[in-house]
Amino acid sequence: DQQVKQNSPSLSVQEGRISILNCDYTNSMFDYFLWYKKYPAEGPTFLISISSIKDKNEDGRFTVFLNKSAKHLSLHIVPSQPGDSAVYFCAASAGNNNDMRFGAGTRLTVKP
Amino acid sequence: NAGVTQTPKFRILKIGQSMTLQCTQDMNHNYMYWYRQDPGMGLKLIYYSVGAGITDKGEVPNGYNVSRSTTEDFPLRLELAAPSQTSVYFCASSYGQDPNYGYTFGSGTRLTVV
Repeated sequence: DQQVKQNSPSLSVQEGRISILNCDYTNSMFDYFLWYKKYPAEGPTFLISISSIKDKNEDGRFTVFLNKSAKHLSLHIVPSQPGDSAVYFCAASAGNNNDMRFGAGTRLTVKP
Repeated sequence: NAGVTQTPKFRILKIGQSMTLQCTQDMNHNYMYWYRQDPGMGLKLIYYSVGAGITDKGEVPNGYNVSRSTTEDFPLRLELAAPSQTSVYFCASSYGQDPNYGYTFGSGTRLTVV
């Protein structure tokens, strides 16, 4: 039962352009959403989060948008840099940290 | 500041063997988690702990056991390894129940069962 879906396994963008990573969820009880970034041979690292009471959260080059009616969120990276090349996981939880569900990840490649 | 440390990084097991994946954190986090990641899939929660002496099952607990005797350590035990347990295992910790804290992950253990 894949409650969090990242339908694009990979994305390639040019350095300096915008990267948009998408995530869909099915469980309407989810009220907190997070993005993690993972480099090869490392564990995921927390990037940015958003609660369901907001529709946008920004942190430097990273912005997460939440559309609750569509059960969709997206991560925007502007401008994209080669160092952003990694796998990005979307995650969602329903009120606590004990049952966070993860998507399968999107591999982002930023070309110089 | 070591964060979350997992050992070993790689392991090959034969079917039916047992092993313990070690996880320790030095951030005094109460919450700890074990996830597995299969190719093309998201991370799935195996077990979690909200504090020393307290553990609970996650989404995919069958074939695994855990213990939490200290705040720092949260080992994952595989009994009678099966090929279906071939995966990458991640241990994580968090400060509290508020998801705003996010998780701190270890670098993973790649396990192959042959």
